[in-house]
This record gives sequence, structure tokens and C-alpha cells, in this order.
Amino acid sequence: EADIYQTPRYLVIGTGKKITLECSQTMGHDKMYWYQQDPGMELHLIHYSYGVNSTEKGDLSSESTVSRIRTEHFPLTLESARPSHTSQYLCASSEFPGQGTDEQYFGPGTRLTVT
Amino acid sequence: QKEVEQDPGPLSVPEGAIVSLNCTYSNSAFQYFMWYRQYSRKGPELLMYTYSSGNKEDGRFTAQVDKSSKYISLFIRDSQPSDSATYLCAMKDRGSTLGRLYFGRGTQLTVWP
Repeated sequence: EADIYQTPRYLVIGTGKKITLECSQTMGHDKMYWYQQDPGMELHLIHYSYGVNSTEKGDLSSESTVSRIRTEHFPLTLESARPSHTSQYLCASSEFPGQGTDEQYFGPGTRLTVT
Repeated sequence: QKEVEQDPGPLSVPEGAIVSLNCTYSNSAFQYFMWYRQYSRKGPELLMYTYSSGNKEDGRFTAQVDKSSKYISLFIRDSQPSDSATYLCAMKDRGSTLGRLYFGRGTQLTVWP
């Protein structure tokens, strides 16, 4: 089983609140990713990181921000939550620099509901 | 046109059935093809991985890639209730240093006893 953790698992919060979704991995992986997953839809890459102090936006426009101060930690922050942010957020990590299998290990996800 | 197309189902089969799951894609640069399995309230986990064309077998699971048709398949033999999950196809091109994956929408499978 992958050693990648996400907290909280479920979050219901009101509009306008600031929230941070936590993601940690103990595998020493350099690359980390955040995906957004809606029911019946593709996983959309919203942020990624090659390593410490490296963060990039993915394909899906997102109002969230990320930081990578430590290798094992890749939190995602929403400054002002809106109902349109309601979704499942999946964090993943991988080891190899784009070669071979390059398996991505996923956390269990955070299901966010903004009321 | 989406990069990866996958019929979301749902698919419901009796225990012991042979299940066929499929994806098509449009980007001819894709070289690595994966199937992820996602149980309810869990993150996806890698089930099968294939490089370029051909077949790969692992127990009851067989992955096939037909690059000429831009079509990949996952076959599950002797399906079990424990196979009930959402199956996501994913693909990557050889030149990606990020290891960027392009996912299908997932097919929801239920195997009933």
C-alpha cells in the first residue's frame, strides 16, 4: 500500500472560507501532483511539482495554490472557497524522472463540499 | 476532441463473467498505457502497465494495446465481486519528463455474486 496521506478525508465548509488540504508522502518521491476528480469525469491535473521549491499549474484552471517547502509535503490552499470548488481532490507522487513505469501513487482523496 | 475516451458504464456482470473494458485515444505520441483500479472512497492504484503495443497478462487480468487503432483494452477473466470498482485507463507519452498522465473517465464495474 502506498505511503501517501491526505487530510481531511471529508470537509464541508461555507462559502468564503480559507481551506488547506494536506498531502504527505513518506516515500521520498520528488514529483507530486494534485488532481481534481468529479463523478464520471476524467482526473484533471491542477498542480504539480518536480521537487522542493518547484510548483506549476496543470491544465485545469484552478483558483487554488500549492507550496512545496519540504519533499514530503505538498499542501493545496483555497483562499476563498466557493460552491464551484466542490469536488474530490486527489494527491499523488512518483519517483522516477519520467522514465519507464513512473508509477503514480495516489492518496485516498479529500472530498470537499462548499455550501 | 478529448485525448482519451472511455465509456463510463456502468457495467454490471455476474460472478465468473469475462469483462472487457476499453479506451480509445487520439494522441499518437502516447507510448505508455496503464489501467488503474479505484475502489469506492479510495485513490486509484496501478493495476496493469504496458509499453507500446502488445499484450500483457497478470493472473486474471490481460491488457492489450493496438497502437494502429489507438485502442486499448483490459480483460478480466473469472470476475469476482472483489473486482467491483471503477477502472481508469491512463496514458503517457515517451517525451514527458513530468510523467504527465492523461486519464479516461473511468468505467464503473459491479460484479454480483
